[in-house]
Amino acid sequence: EAQVTQNPRYLITVTGKKLTVTCSQNMNHEYMSWYRQDPGLGLRQIYYSMNVEVTDKGDVPEGYKVSRKEKRNFPLILESPSPNQTSLYFCASSPWGQGEHGELFFGEGSRLTVL
Amino acid sequence: GESVGLHLPTLSVQEGDNSIINCAYSNSASDYFIWYKQESGKGPQFIIDIRSNMDKRQGQRVTVLLNKTVKHLSLQIAATQPGDSAVYFCAESLYTGTASKLTFGTGTRLQVTL
Repeated sequence: EAQVTQNPRYLITVTGKKLTVTCSQNMNHEYMSWYRQDPGLGLRQIYYSMNVEVTDKGDVPEGYKVSRKEKRNFPLILESPSPNQTSLYFCASSPWGQGEHGELFFGEGSRLTVL
Repeated sequence: GESVGLHLPTLSVQEGDNSIINCAYSNSASDYFIWYKQESGKGPQFIIDIRSNMDKRQGQRVTVLLNKTVKHLSLQIAATQPGDSAVYFCAESLYTGTASKLTFGTGTRLQVTL
């Protein structure tokens, strides 16, 4: 089954404790992206990747890191989480090439709470 | 389920009626638009898309209308069913020179009453 898989789905952590949210897609998509979703603000892009070893900042990259060492994986790293990073996070992928348009395939979401 | 929007505008329709969900987009240069559906506890799912050289596109029970003059997008759902209850997002896409960037609206909650 074609899917985007995120882990963990739920996490409660404390300020400053490094964490990683993993994302994996099995559709051989080149494009992957991370979003956070907050009430009243919709989905905001954190980082995206056009291909392996190619990543770029989205609209709200502060406090986050990403890496794209393999095509299928795009982990989101919070080096020192803070309470304002409490949010619902979505990973997405797409077969887009550069300059192309198309739908994004989303994971099921990861609910992160930072105390 | 996950709370995706505590302050969302809500549209309440009776089962069997048609629903119209509206969206105002921000960039007149956007050339591609998508509607997504998000059910409680799940990620957004693609419903239908439309390119800027069109003003109407139909799918199964759904129609998207695009009015570029006033930067307005609408999603029409025919014969609304309880399974249509969800949050609906529009998104506009713009090619920035390096990538196509999707910008999402804040969403509308559709409640289907029996």
